[in-house]
Amino acid sequence: QQQVKQSPQSLIVQKGGISIINCAYENTAFDYFPWYQQFPGKGPALLIAIRPDVSEKKEGRFTISFNKSAKQFSLHIMDSQPGDSATYFCAASNNAGGTSYGKLTFGQGTILTVHP
Amino acid sequence: NAGVTQTPKFQVLKTGQSMTLQCAQDMNHEYMSWYRQDPGMGLRLIHYSVGAGITDQGEVPNGYNVSRSTTEDFPLRLLSAAPSQTSVYFCASSSFGTANSPLHFGNGTRLTVT
Repeated sequence: QQQVKQSPQSLIVQKGGISIINCAYENTAFDYFPWYQQFPGKGPALLIAIRPDVSEKKEGRFTISFNKSAKQFSLHIMDSQPGDSATYFCAASNNAGGTSYGKLTFGQGTILTVHP
Repeated sequence: NAGVTQTPKFQVLKTGQSMTLQCAQDMNHEYMSWYRQDPGMGLRLIHYSVGAGITDQGEVPNGYNVSRSTTEDFPLRLLSAAPSQTSVYFCASSSFGTANSPLHFGNGTRLTVT
């Protein structure tokens, strides 16, 4: 049972363009939504994260948009660069009780290629 | 600071063989976990531990065993390897110190079962 669905599976963008990756979740108890970035041969690393009390979070060229009523969130990469080429995973967790167990449910992943 | 270290990086097994994937972290993290990564499936949680002596099952635990005798180490054992266990395995750790502490991943073990 895939509780977090991610799309598209792959994405090709020209340098300077906007990359958009979407995720939808089912479990309304999820209260933490991070995005992880993975380069070939490496483990994923946290890129940016949001909690459902805000609708948007921006860090540099990376923005998460969050729609609680639609149970959807997305990652926008502005001014995409070839160095952004990587696999991106959305994820979600339920931190009931205020303790972070890191027990994340991941989406299927999106392979982003930014052409120079 | 090494972070999360996984060994080996690559492994080929024959069906029915057993092996242990090693994971060690030097960040004194309470939480450790194992994920497997398969194309189109994302990362799926196999087992996790919230401290020494405490382990629990994740989404896909069948065919795998874990133990946590120390804070630093969290080995994953394949009891009788099957071709369906061909995958890339990631160990990850995090701290309880701050809410939503990020998961720190190792660089993975690529396992092929023939």
